[in-house]
Amino acid sequence: ETGVTQTPRHLVMGMTNKKSLKCEQHLGHNAMYWYKQSAKKPLELMFVYSLEERVENNSVPSRFSPECPNSSHLFLHLHTLQPEDSALYLCASSQDGRGYEQYFGPGTRLTVT
Amino acid sequence: AQTVTQSQPEMSVQEAETVTLSCTYDTSENNYYLFWYKQPPSRQMILVIRQEAYKQQNATENRFSVNFQKAAKSFSLKISDSQLGDTAMYFCAFMSGEKYGNKLVFGAGTILRVKS
Repeated sequence: ETGVTQTPRHLVMGMTNKKSLKCEQHLGHNAMYWYKQSAKKPLELMFVYSLEERVENNSVPSRFSPECPNSSHLFLHLHTLQPEDSALYLCASSQDGRGYEQYFGPGTRLTVT
Repeated sequence: AQTVTQSQPEMSVQEAETVTLSCTYDTSENNYYLFWYKQPPSRQMILVIRQEAYKQQNATENRFSVNFQKAAKSFSLKISDSQLGDTAMYFCAFMSGEKYGNKLVFGAGTILRVKS
């Protein structure tokens, strides 16, 4: 394990549900990230938080809402998702600044029915 | 915008042999970082190797080494003495050294299968 945990590991939700993904890092990092990994597509960066402030939002639909209450925790709130949102959602953390390695969590496998 | 291309969707290699995974990228920047990440089946993605663009010397980590050709914008990964545990998806990634945001741009990945 790399010190980044994610819960739940698997989630099945209907299009009208509201759920949240949780990420926690135990590495003392101050930057955190959400990525979406779909089959046969490159990993897509969704959000970047640095020192608890959102510094990047890659044109992500508003049905995805991130929250970073402190430098160790990151949430992704989900509501009224579409079937095409089914994917592996990866959280990562790093030291803030250029060139630092990002440490990834195991991901949450999300299926939208 | 930067792009990363991995032209080999799948590769296989016999145990103990050497394999090279290709990666090319496109950028107008002079200062940047390149990474190879490994994602084993159902396991977490981990860093394999990292290269700073300002360094001419190729990075090496045990059995893993890179061939960094800055002018050609090429960053290939060589795995020597392949082991069954090297079976994984390998991603090449680019990070700007000039723009803020720690943003990693990934290639589509190469599935590597090591056969016994």
